[in-house]
Amino acid sequence: KNQVEQSPQSLIILEGKNCTLQCNYTVSPFSNLRWYKQDTGRGPVSLTIMTFSENTKSNGRYTATLDADTKQSSLHITASQLSDSASYICVVRGGGGADGLTFGKGTHLIIQP
Amino acid sequence: GAGVSQSPRYKVAKRGQDVALRCDPISGHVSLFWYQQALGQGPEFLTYFQNEAQLDKSGLPSDRFFAERPEGSVSTLKIQRTQQEDSAVYLCASSPVGLGPYNEQFFGPGTRLTVL
Repeated sequence: KNQVEQSPQSLIILEGKNCTLQCNYTVSPFSNLRWYKQDTGRGPVSLTIMTFSENTKSNGRYTATLDADTKQSSLHITASQLSDSASYICVVRGGGGADGLTFGKGTHLIIQP
Repeated sequence: GAGVSQSPRYKVAKRGQDVALRCDPISGHVSLFWYQQALGQGPEFLTYFQNEAQLDKSGLPSDRFFAERPEGSVSTLKIQRTQQEDSAVYLCASSPVGLGPYNEQFFGPGTRLTVL
């Protein structure tokens, strides 16, 4: 069964600190992996997309890594800001279904001043 | 450049009522998806349209759920005889082209449905 597991489930850090969110997946065949940011009451917004051959991709203070051998990805947030408070969802494309997407449950990140 | 919009943003229904949720995709987008997102969970696929054709409805949880996109633009998700387990956020997403591995989906803000 295609699955995407994220950890931690929730995380609280102080403004200005860094943090790393984890994503492990068992999706086959694998096409690409995306990280989304979902603010409370809003739809998910894409941060990064990585294919099999990409190890690292950055988007401002967000850096995603992918190890296709171990089927792990991480999202590193540098110098966190209050506006980073949101849920971060890991999504893997490649499995069955019309959209071919398997969503993780997300990590709920809270940045405290 | 308006994004995907959904209405209403919040809906409270009594158990047994019918509800209709509307999605306005980005103009010209071919693909349209509906997802159900329970509290604290990731979105779960419900159904997919390519233009006006509903190509996949395998995620619809029961025959009480019905979706349409008659003119290939606006879509409506209808839930008949709502049950408490239908309470969730219903997300709509659109994509400019047909299905493809790198096609990005643009999500709407969702409709939060609460069934009492």
